[in-house]
Order: sequence, then C-alpha cells, then structure tokens
Amino acid sequence: NAGVTQTPKFQVLKTGQSMTLQCAQDMNHEYMSWYRQDPGMGLRLIHYSVGAGITDQGEVPNGYNVSRSTTEDFPLRLLSAAPSQTSVYFCASGSRVNTEAFFGQGTRLTVV
Amino acid sequence: GQQLNQSPQSMFIQEGEDVSMNCTSSSIFNTWLWYKQDPGEGPVLLIALYKAGELTSNGRLTAQFGITRKDSFLNISASIPSDVGIYFCAGFSIQGAQKLVFGQGTRLTINP
Repeated sequence: NAGVTQTPKFQVLKTGQSMTLQCAQDMNHEYMSWYRQDPGMGLRLIHYSVGAGITDQGEVPNGYNVSRSTTEDFPLRLLSAAPSQTSVYFCASGSRVNTEAFFGQGTRLTVV
Repeated sequence: GQQLNQSPQSMFIQEGEDVSMNCTSSSIFNTWLWYKQDPGEGPVLLIALYKAGELTSNGRLTAQFGITRKDSFLNISASIPSDVGIYFCAGFSIQGAQKLVFGQGTRLTINP
C-alpha cells in the first residue's frame, strides 16, 4: 500500500525560485494537510483541506499556496522561496470520520 | 488559536525505566492522538483516543483522554532502545476550524 506519497524527498532552491511540493494519497481520505517541521518547533500547520475544492489556512500560511482539485492530490506551492522556508515539509491525510492523520516521508527543502 | 503544551520537552532515562509525558490545552478536543517520529521519517500514529476518560493500550504504551477533554498523557513501560525518538501529541476539534494541532514534542533518549 502506497499510503501518502511525497515528492521530491530532497530539494535545494535559490532565493526567489518557485516550486511545487507534491502530495498524493490513495486511501480516499477527505482531509489533507501540510506541515513544516523546524528544530524545537514541532509540527506547524501550513494549509489544510477538508475535501476537494476546499482549502483553508493553518498557523503559518504566508508564502505558500495550495489547491485541491482532486481527492487524491494536495500540492503545496512556494511562490518565491526564501531562506526562512528552509524546513522539512510533511503532508498528511485522514478520514473526516476518524480524524487520524497518516504522514508521508517528508520533503527536506533548503533555500540558499 | 488552539495550542497544545507538551511536557517534558526532553527526557534522558535508563533502559527499563517507565516514561510519562503529557499534553494540556486551553481548548476542548474531540480526539487526542499520539505519534512517534524516528529520525528522517514522518510521524507514525501510536494511539488514538476518542472519548473523555478513555484509556487505551498498545503493547507497552498506554494513553488516556483526560476527563475534562483538555489533556492527555502517554506512558511507556519498561523502555527499550527502539523507543528512542520524538513523541508528539495532537488534538482535533470538530468545533470551529477543523484542523489537527500538534504539541512541540518530547525527545526521548535512552541510556543502555
């Protein structure tokens, strides 16, 4: 079972570049979310979606965009990368009924 | 916004000792989740709690959903080296914004 798949696993960007982090799940989960993890900060919610066509902001949404055109996919877009966005990014999905979130393996992003 | 206070931030114990960590919140939650994260991996769900007062075990792990719905604890009995990692609590509320929020994590180190 694939579960939650994130690509790429590693990425280096130059300041000002844009890119999209991909997230796909094959569990037919309605709820999907993006977190960033920084040392000593735990997991902070960037954006989340409770279903296709519906997205909302989390704690730290600035500099990131999301869309949810299908149930399976929830890409995270960095519009103009900044060094402060250097972090490990995790995508998660869950059933609205159970609310248990299952995580991908993460994308380690470095902005230089 | 909703915040979870997780303590302790770190623990250094001897193999075989019992471990206890907890999370508290100023808000009421409908679900409490406990995750473990190994280095370089995404968080993995350990225990899910859905009812106030619920006590659930998973092997050597035991977790409880506080009766006030504002706290939860996780106990690990007879710790072993593979218990090393970061443990996160997470809470979900069906009221207001439907988002899963995480504690800051407890880093567990075990001396053999």
